[in-house]
Amino acid sequence: GDSVTQMEGPVTLSEEAFLTINCTYTATGYPSLFWYVQYPGEGLQLLLKATKADDKGSNKGFEATYRKETTSFHLEKGSVQVSDSAVYFCALRNTGFQKLVFGTGTRLLVSP
Amino acid sequence: DTAVSQTPKYLVTQMGNDKSIKCEQNLGHDTMYWYKQDSKKFLKIMFSYNNKELIINETVPNRFSPKSPDKAHLNLHINSLELGDSAVYFCASSQEGTGVEETQYFGPGTRLLVL
Repeated sequence: GDSVTQMEGPVTLSEEAFLTINCTYTATGYPSLFWYVQYPGEGLQLLLKATKADDKGSNKGFEATYRKETTSFHLEKGSVQVSDSAVYFCALRNTGFQKLVFGTGTRLLVSP
Repeated sequence: DTAVSQTPKYLVTQMGNDKSIKCEQNLGHDTMYWYKQDSKKFLKIMFSYNNKELIINETVPNRFSPKSPDKAHLNLHINSLELGDSAVYFCASSQEGTGVEETQYFGPGTRLLVL
């Protein structure tokens, strides 16, 4: 079945450092890919998405590119802030299925 | 003007009790979902309803019974609560079309603790 693999956390960075959180997927067909963010004590918010190969999703300085050849959707940000500390979830949704399949989440901790 | 709301936010109860969680969305969406997030933060679909019709039931014990009185509401009733039911339960909604790009919008979660 479909699955999403994310890098283990926590990822610990200093403010203004460059961020990469790796995400790879296994799916038949042509899924859409998503990054959701969960701030402490809150629900999930959509951060960005991409619906086909080579699409780049971007929001709030974060970006991710849908790479079909490497089945990846890595999340990047050029300069993280303390307020970016949260858990980041990579997810996919495949053709004919309504459900989102999530990775295990990666916790990001940014220190001043 | 919360898009997807859930009540209660926190629920602490004893093993064996029956409890309900309510979800409402004001986005005009036709599809609603329940997801469970365990203690390790892993998220998994439980159910989805489209226009009040059950679409997904992801091998959830039949102690869990979703009910959708109308397309803006999806409630989750849990009978005979067990310790392993302790988790955060998220409601979500989306407007379904013909593609896979439809975004699901999540509620704030209900933190259930079974003692």
